[in-house]
Amino acid sequence: GNSVTQMEGPVTLSEEAFLTINCTYTATGYPSLFWYVQYPGEGLQLLLKATKADDKGSNKGFEATYRKETTSFHLEKGSVQVSDSAVYFCALSDRGYGGATNKLIFGTGTLLAVQP
Amino acid sequence: EAQVTQNPRYLITVTGKKLTVTCSQNMNHEYMSWYRQDPGLGLRQIYYSMNVEVTDKGDVPEGYKVSRKEKRNFPLILESPSPNQTSLYFCASSLRDPLDTQYFGPGTRLTVL
Repeated sequence: GNSVTQMEGPVTLSEEAFLTINCTYTATGYPSLFWYVQYPGEGLQLLLKATKADDKGSNKGFEATYRKETTSFHLEKGSVQVSDSAVYFCALSDRGYGGATNKLIFGTGTLLAVQP
Repeated sequence: EAQVTQNPRYLITVTGKKLTVTCSQNMNHEYMSWYRQDPGLGLRQIYYSMNVEVTDKGDVPEGYKVSRKEKRNFPLILESPSPNQTSLYFCASSLRDPLDTQYFGPGTRLTVL
């Protein structure tokens, strides 16, 4: 079945450090891939997405490239800030062969803590 | 303001006492969904609804019920809560399906004693 695997956290970085959070997936059909972010005490919100192979999603300095050959969608940011401290979730939604999609499958989440 | 609202935000109850968590969205979205978030398990889908009167089970539906009588509302019902339903619950909605951006509510922290 479809699944998403994220790197274990927490990830602790100093401000202005480079960030990578790994995400790999298993899916049938043609998945779309997402990164959602959850700030402390809030619900999740979409950070970026990619709908087909080689697409790059980007937002707020974060980016991720849909790599079909390695089934990966790693999240990167060149210089993190304290305000980026949050839990990051990788997710996929698989439309299947000509069918509708009805589920979003999440990874377990990676806590990022950025220290000043 | 476009939003998803949930009530209550916090609830402490006892085993077996029926409860309802309400969810409402003002964006005319067709798709709505309930998730629970547990440490180390991420978000798991409980139920979802593709439109009015159309609901289906997610990955962890046992012990929960839902209804979708109106487009904007999607209440989650626990007929006989048990301690293993202690969790953080999120309602979400999107325009048509999960490929569209999902908008999440602020969450409901439920404790069942």
